[in-house]
Amino acid sequence: DAKTTQPNSMESNEEEPVHLPCNHSTISGTDYIHWYRQLPSQGPEYVIHGLTSNVNNRMASLAIAEDRKSSTLILHRATLRDAAVYYCILSESNDYKLSFGAGTTVTVRA
Amino acid sequence: SQTIHQWPATLVQPVGSPLSLECTVEGTSNPNLYWYRQAAGRGLQLLFYSVGIGQISSEVPQNLSASRPQDRQFILSSKKLLLSDSGFYLCAWRADGLNQPQHFGDGTRLSIL
Repeated sequence: DAKTTQPNSMESNEEEPVHLPCNHSTISGTDYIHWYRQLPSQGPEYVIHGLTSNVNNRMASLAIAEDRKSSTLILHRATLRDAAVYYCILSESNDYKLSFGAGTTVTVRA
Repeated sequence: SQTIHQWPATLVQPVGSPLSLECTVEGTSNPNLYWYRQAAGRGLQLLFYSVGIGQISSEVPQNLSASRPQDRQFILSSKKLLLSDSGFYLCAWRADGLNQPQHFGDGTRLSIL
């Protein structure tokens, strides 16, 4: 499986944007970029995914570099409920499985 | 809409006792089903997945087994629990099809004494 690299932790202030980077220099042409997050004592929650183009949904935006070797998850206005571990995962379209790494722990200050 | 149920939420078991954790999914048919374990302060480890009734794939050798007796029911079992089986157990489902996301249950926190 292609690997991803994320910072261990990030801090943000409430109502400010959060930009979470993810490096995936060995990504293949068929790998999708998925983001999940896990709030304390809960199961992971799907956030967003994309292949080549930037993607937006009600939770976040995903900006994908032109060479696809990196991507950034953008939380437009952080709230205290966004404090979680965020996982960046690569997966082929027909993959049954996801491989979770350590993720980035996001702390939001009031 | 689709929902996933896991129970119990917490469980305390003695070493050597049996285990049965159940997961059911509603509102979909023929889902892919998964069992994960998360040790304290660690990442998620995939234990088993199933693409259909009676079809189980094991990802890591261990003291646990899984079964899928019905389309939307996934059971995690052990005959004799070990201390190392402690952890947060998560069930997940995914719609059958290309590039579908996984959806997780609320998990079972298992403590072995």
